[in-house]
Amino acid sequence: GAVVSQHPSWVICKSGTSVKIECRSLDFQATTMFWYRQFPKQSLMLMATSNEGSKATYEQGVEKDKFLINHASLTLSTLTVTSAHPEDSSFYICSAVKGAGGPDTQYFGPGTRLTVL
Amino acid sequence: KQEVTQIPAALSVPEGENLVLNCSFTDSAIYNLQWFRQDPGKGLTSLLLIQSSQREQTSGRLNASLDKSSGRSTLYIAASQPGDSATYLCAVRDSGYALNFGKGTSLLVTP
Repeated sequence: GAVVSQHPSWVICKSGTSVKIECRSLDFQATTMFWYRQFPKQSLMLMATSNEGSKATYEQGVEKDKFLINHASLTLSTLTVTSAHPEDSSFYICSAVKGAGGPDTQYFGPGTRLTVL
Repeated sequence: KQEVTQIPAALSVPEGENLVLNCSFTDSAIYNLQWFRQDPGKGLTSLLLIQSSQREQTSGRLNASLDKSSGRSTLYIAASQPGDSATYLCAVRDSGYALNFGKGTSLLVTP
């Protein structure tokens, strides 16, 4: 199988604090991971592409200094929301591409619900 | 920029009915199209993947068709069950690895 986990599954934080979300591929290596954000009743929007050992590629309109991405190993990518504000409250989902299987072998994590008070 | 639209936004049907969910996309130069299922507060489960060279894919009670030239795909669910209740997302891959998602169709199948 191919399992992707996210931690935490939900988090509540105060405005101005930073929150780190982890995305792990449990039984495979992933050189590429994606981070998406989903607002209520909206589609998933790609935020950034995370490649192991290199800087992430951010989509237009996504602040790279606010959403810090680190892909330090083949099984772990982290998204840190810095100085979080209520408008950052959203559902964050990661996906991981399984090895050399090609981008169609993309497996999604269960998501992290972030609420900023 | 690729735009993906799903119609209807919500659908409620009695158990046993056959139903069709629609997806359209603006740029026909796609690599593939996927249908996903998302349960409330959960991640995504891939249902069907159709390559650009294919016309349809089937899995159990699900059948997805693709008309790339007209920018349309349909997901057909036969003999719907309450367990089918979820949000169904259509996603298009046109280049690279990332997917372009529609807003989804929220399906409720009532007993």
